[in-house]
Amino acid sequence: NAGVMQNPRHLVRRRGQEARLRCSPVKGHSHVYWYRQLPEEGLKFMVYLQKENIIDESGMPKERFSAEFPKEGPSILRIQQVVRGDSAAYFCASSPTTRGPDTEAFFGQGTRLTVV
Amino acid sequence: GESVGLHLPTLSVQEGDNSIINCAYSNSASDYFIWYKQESGKGPQFIIDIRSNMDKRQGQRVTVLLNKTVKHLSLQIAATQPGDSAVYFCAEDSSGTYKYIFGTGTRLKVLA
Repeated sequence: NAGVMQNPRHLVRRRGQEARLRCSPVKGHSHVYWYRQLPEEGLKFMVYLQKENIIDESGMPKERFSAEFPKEGPSILRIQQVVRGDSAAYFCASSPTTRGPDTEAFFGQGTRLTVV
Repeated sequence: GESVGLHLPTLSVQEGDNSIINCAYSNSASDYFIWYKQESGKGPQFIIDIRSNMDKRQGQRVTVLLNKTVKHLSLQIAATQPGDSAVYFCAEDSSGTYKYIFGTGTRLKVLA
């Protein structure tokens, strides 16, 4: 059984370029969460999606950032016109449902974005 | 609330000793708490969780204690091993989803 797969693992972009981060959830999981982690800090929630719907994007910056989770294919976190401050590790987690007594969210290995 | 850490606090313990990692959580409405272990270059790995209707929960070599009065969470690791070296994060949730609020983390170093 494959866990949460994120790619690429490392991504380098020049300022002003676009970054596209992909997350394939655990098979059968329809809930996806994106988090951002700066060096030496905890993870910060960005967005929560279910298939084809954004449920909660309260942690997303108002500009340049967007996320989707289409009916088919991986979830995508898209950052337009990247700036140096976007450099961070981006983690995706998936779960089969909302939080329940016998459920768990699984994290991927992350994508480390470096903006030069 | 949010906090910005310049350097993670570090706990150094001798191999074989017990470790206690502490965490102050922020939201009195949180009803679910979880500890994650994160090794360098990897994603968070589940260790143990506890719901707000409990004060203590035990796993294999790990125990989580919850004190809701002072909004404090602790992780105890028995007979600490070199493989336990990592950064440990507590996280809380009140939304019924996995929209966690993570703590700033503690780096555990196990000395041989």
